[in-house]
Amino acid sequence: AQRVTQPEKLLSVFKGAPVELKCNYSYSGSPELFWYVQYSRQRLQLLLRHISRESIKGFTADLNKGETSFHLKKPFAQEEDSAMYYCALGSLMDTGRRALTFGSGTRLQVQP
Amino acid sequence: DTEVTQTPKHLVMGMTNKKSLKCEQHMGHRAMYWYKQKAKKPPELMFVYSYEKLSINESVPSRFSPECPNSSLLNLHLHALQPEDSALYLCASSPDHRNTEAFFGQGTRLTVV
Repeated sequence: AQRVTQPEKLLSVFKGAPVELKCNYSYSGSPELFWYVQYSRQRLQLLLRHISRESIKGFTADLNKGETSFHLKKPFAQEEDSAMYYCALGSLMDTGRRALTFGSGTRLQVQP
Repeated sequence: DTEVTQTPKHLVMGMTNKKSLKCEQHMGHRAMYWYKQKAKKPPELMFVYSYEKLSINESVPSRFSPECPNSSLLNLHLHALQPEDSALYLCASSPDHRNTEAFFGQGTRLTVV
């Protein structure tokens, strides 16, 4: 069965400090990995997808199949980055259809 | 239009009521989803529709009944709910069932009294 683990419930950093939000997954098939962000009172938004290898708002994430990880990184945190971050795995369910499984989320607090 | 729109935003219902949640998207997506999110928890998958057919039902109680009238609309009919069903109900869509990159609605915050 598929599983996504985000070990940190809360990560608190100062503005300008580097940030790394950890995500590990368990899945026997070919994974699709995403990072979603939920700002206060806003909808869940896609931040990054592993297949595009892009940088959004200064965030990057690299899929490491050997370590089954997809950690989210940013070199210099900004106060507006404060939000809940979810790592999500797109995988094949028992029914033969694909859907997202979410990790438990990490709340990032960036202090001034 | 790149949004998923959910109505109502808030809903309070009694345990004997029947109500419906609505979701709409005009991105041409052919997969639509219902998720349930309890406070401080991640979204949990409830149902998946692919090309207007129900393809996944994650052991959801029958008091929740989904419906997909056409490729743009998704409903969730609620009947005889329990207080523990109070949560944020999220609708999402993706291009099709092979592409899980999902776009989420704002959600309906449901309170069962």
